[in-house]
Amino acid sequence: GAVVSQHPSWVICKSGTSVKIECRSLDFQATTMFWYRQFPKQSLMLMATSNEGSKATYEQGVEKDKFLINHASLTLSTLTVTSAHPEDSSFYICSARDTPIASYNSPLHFGNGTRLTVT
Amino acid sequence: RKEVEQDPGPFNVPEGATVAFNCTYSNSASQSFFWYRQDCRKEPKLLMSVYSSGNEDGRFTAQLNRASQYISLLIRDSKLSDSATYLCVVNSGGYQKVTFGTGTKLQVIP
Repeated sequence: GAVVSQHPSWVICKSGTSVKIECRSLDFQATTMFWYRQFPKQSLMLMATSNEGSKATYEQGVEKDKFLINHASLTLSTLTVTSAHPEDSSFYICSARDTPIASYNSPLHFGNGTRLTVT
Repeated sequence: RKEVEQDPGPFNVPEGATVAFNCTYSNSASQSFFWYRQDCRKEPKLLMSVYSSGNEDGRFTAQLNRASQYISLLIRDSKLSDSATYLCVVNSGGYQKVTFGTGTKLQVIP
């Protein structure tokens, strides 16, 4: 089945530093990947849609200058949390669809998530 | 009204019991539906898609009621390993618009 790999699985950083999270589709090409954030006991919230070769689309309330997204190839999207603060501590998850021509009937496959703790 | 609503639970059921979850959605134009399970501190994993005619996968049965705008998940003969949070996922407004419910927590008790 489709595999999405996310790295790192967890990271602890100091306030003010930047953290990069990678999301790779291992056995399929993904022109679009999605980035989510999940706070404890809450649902996944879509942050942005990453588009290969073009700018990401951000959801309302998500700062594009703080959460930098780069989708330079068909198998890799990165999310960089810039100048991280303790309130950015969360579980960040990426996902992608595994069909060559993605359709709404194909399910999402998720990376294993990155638990970010900002001290 | 939230786009996708679920009873957060928790549902505490004994092993072997049958349990059902419902999920309602507000957008009548929603196109596809899924159930995912999420274990604590892990990523969601696809449990099953939900088809208009209803579908079954082993002990799990999913149904869709478009008229009333809800989907359901039935788990028969509950196992301890079924303990997780079950997320209802609805796709509407084009293939990129995916909305997650807040999840229903299931705890199967020995």
